[in-house]
Amino acid sequence: AQKITQTQPGMFVQEKEAVTLDCTYDTSDQSYGLFWYKQPSSGEMIFLIYQGSYDEQNATEGRYSLNFQKARKSANLVISASQLGDSAMYFCAMSSNNAGNMLTFGGGTRLMVKP
Amino acid sequence: GAGVSQSPSNKVTEKGKDVELRCDPISGHTALYWYRQSLGQGLEFLIYFQGNSAPDKSGLPSDRFSAERTGGSVSTLTIQRTQQEDSAVYLCASTNRGGETQYFGPGTRLLVL
Repeated sequence: AQKITQTQPGMFVQEKEAVTLDCTYDTSDQSYGLFWYKQPSSGEMIFLIYQGSYDEQNATEGRYSLNFQKARKSANLVISASQLGDSAMYFCAMSSNNAGNMLTFGGGTRLMVKP
Repeated sequence: GAGVSQSPSNKVTEKGKDVELRCDPISGHTALYWYRQSLGQGLEFLIYFQGNSAPDKSGLPSDRFSAERTGGSVSTLTIQRTQQEDSAVYLCASTNRGGETQYFGPGTRLLVL
C-alpha cells in the first residue's frame, strides 16, 4: 500500500519569498511517480509538477521545483518568488506504475501568501 | 484544446435517490479515473478505466456505486440510494496511455440532504 504524508496543514509566506511544502511517502514499489497539484478555492485540481522515481534530476517547472530525496522518501515542493495567486491548497500525490497509475493523495497543505 | 469536463457542476438530491455524474475526458485520452474528495476522507480513488480493458473498481466504497464508460470516451458514475455520507466533490481525470500526468475536471459537488 502507498501512503503520502503532508505534515503542514497550513503555512504562511510573505509575497516574493520562497516556500517549501513538505511531502514524504511510503511505498514498496520500485517504479512510481510523484506529483504536486494546486487546488484554489474554485476547486479545480491544477497539475504543477511531476517526478519519476528513476529521474536523477529534480524536476522544475517555472517557479516550481521538486526536491526529490529518494533515500529519505521525500518529495518537497519549492515555490520561488511567491505570488498572491499562489494562495491555495497543495496536494502531494503518488502513482504506482504497477497498479494503473491511480493516485494516492496526501492530506494537503493550505498555503497563504501575505502581501 | 478542451480539458476534462464534468456535469452537473452541482447536484443536490434527497437521501435515497439515485444520481448520475458525467465526465467527458480530454479527446484522445485512453485512461479515465474517478476520485472523491470529502472533508472526512480527503481525496480517494474510486475507479479506473483504460481503453477497452475491464475497469479497476477497487476503490468503490459500496455496491451502490457503479460506473461505465461508453465508446472509450464519456463516463458516467452512478450512485444508487444516496446517503448523506456520499456528499462530496466527485472529480474525474484523464491521461494518455503511457502518460503519467492526470488532468482533472472541475468536479461535481454532490450534496445529499
